[in-house]
Amino acid sequence: DTAVSQTPKYLVTQMGNDKSIKCEQNLGHDTMYWYKQDSKKFLKIMFSYNNKELIINETVPNRFSPKSPDKAHLNLHINSLELGDSAVYFCASSQVDLRTEQFFGPGTRLTVL
Amino acid sequence: DQQVKQNSPSLSVQEGRISILNCDYTNSMFDYFLWYKKYPAEGPTFLISISSIKDKNEDGRFTVFLNKSAKHLSLHIVPSQPGDSAVYFCAASGGGSNYKLTFGKGTLLTVNP
Repeated sequence: DTAVSQTPKYLVTQMGNDKSIKCEQNLGHDTMYWYKQDSKKFLKIMFSYNNKELIINETVPNRFSPKSPDKAHLNLHINSLELGDSAVYFCASSQVDLRTEQFFGPGTRLTVL
Repeated sequence: DQQVKQNSPSLSVQEGRISILNCDYTNSMFDYFLWYKKYPAEGPTFLISISSIKDKNEDGRFTVFLNKSAKHLSLHIVPSQPGDSAVYFCAASGGGSNYKLTFGKGTLLTVNP
């Protein structure tokens, strides 16, 4: 059983389109995250939700909108895709106390043409 | 502003020898540090962590050392095995934002048979 799963694994789309990436965790964790790994390989946090509430919102364009229907799911919707959105997006989860590790999904490679 | 720096993009060692991966940080509010390992096309997986109240933590072949005065930590792998070949990320948290991990850029370790 995959602990943190993401779909799709690969996403190729045209500029201007709207797309969504789904994430689910079956670990019973309270907190979920979205990270972006850009071409320079930095992993940067975008959002964090704790029990369906947004607790971290880094300086991310408002074209990116996370949605958490329940604490096991955190989806990422991106409007009006731009070339610079091309990256690998990782979902992660952890217990509310971050003094334990975060568990990452396999990543979604988004390519905007 | 890189608060967590891994200045060596790559490291190559022989099987059986020691691998030493280094990480420096600038934010003195960081008080918890983690190492993640990442294989291609997979998400990062947690390896080992250390709290700022300690200067060493050991788990099998993996040992993390923390030098708070130098704002430096290192990961030692002894003995290195070919399966250890991966990208290693250093991450830090603290300063009142326990939900947020700040990652370094990663170091690609190659262990040659």
